[in-house]
Amino acid sequence: QMQLMQSGPEVKKPGTSVKVSCKASGFTFSSSAVQWVRQARGQRLEWIGWIVVGSGNTNYAQKFQERVTITRDMSTSTAYMELSGLRSEDTAVYYCAAEIQLPRYSFDYWGQGALVTVSS
Amino acid sequence: EIVLTQSPGTLSLSPGERATLSCRASQSVSSSYLAWYQQKPGQAPRLLIYGASSRATGIPDRFSGSGSGTDFTLTISRLEPEDFAVYYCQQYGNSLYTFGQGTKLEIK
Repeated sequence: QMQLMQSGPEVKKPGTSVKVSCKASGFTFSSSAVQWVRQARGQRLEWIGWIVVGSGNTNYAQKFQERVTITRDMSTSTAYMELSGLRSEDTAVYYCAAEIQLPRYSFDYWGQGALVTVSS
Repeated sequence: EIVLTQSPGTLSLSPGERATLSCRASQSVSSSYLAWYQQKPGQAPRLLIYGASSRATGIPDRFSGSGSGTDFTLTISRLEPEDFAVYYCQQYGNSLYTFGQGTKLEIK
């Protein structure tokens, strides 16, 4: 059964960093790509960036370019998204999603989401 | 960055009716790079359509996608109660992805 399991909710202070994990199972992680998307309460989906797992190549939305790092650990089939310089506007549910048939430019499998709350 | 504009913002229809959702791009998008997702409250998005017109695994055939260039359409031929949700288009271009702002399909 193909699935992505994300880490749990986080509460962070402004100015700190958060690292969210996304563990893959049931498919060949090394042949996939993983995107990260966030959604504030009641708001639209916002694309953060993605990683092609095999090559490790990453691309980020310009809005997040300075603050985000997406990595992967192929030994544990886990992708990570780290966001630094947190502010209250970063409070959102963060999703990972995998494209398992490259290149199809669409993401079949989604994690359950991880709520990140930024509050002093 | 390619901007996707979805219309209408909200669509009010009854079960059994036909729904037509639009996604317009600020510049031409390859059909291979256009996808549609459905999201219900409290859930992660679900892939419906990839490559502008191919249904993802397990998606009923009442869902269809079409379009090319800058104009793409998601059509739901006969609405079922479970189809009322928010729909997003997503495109890939210049190594980046972007989403539209979404169309909320609500029960009339």
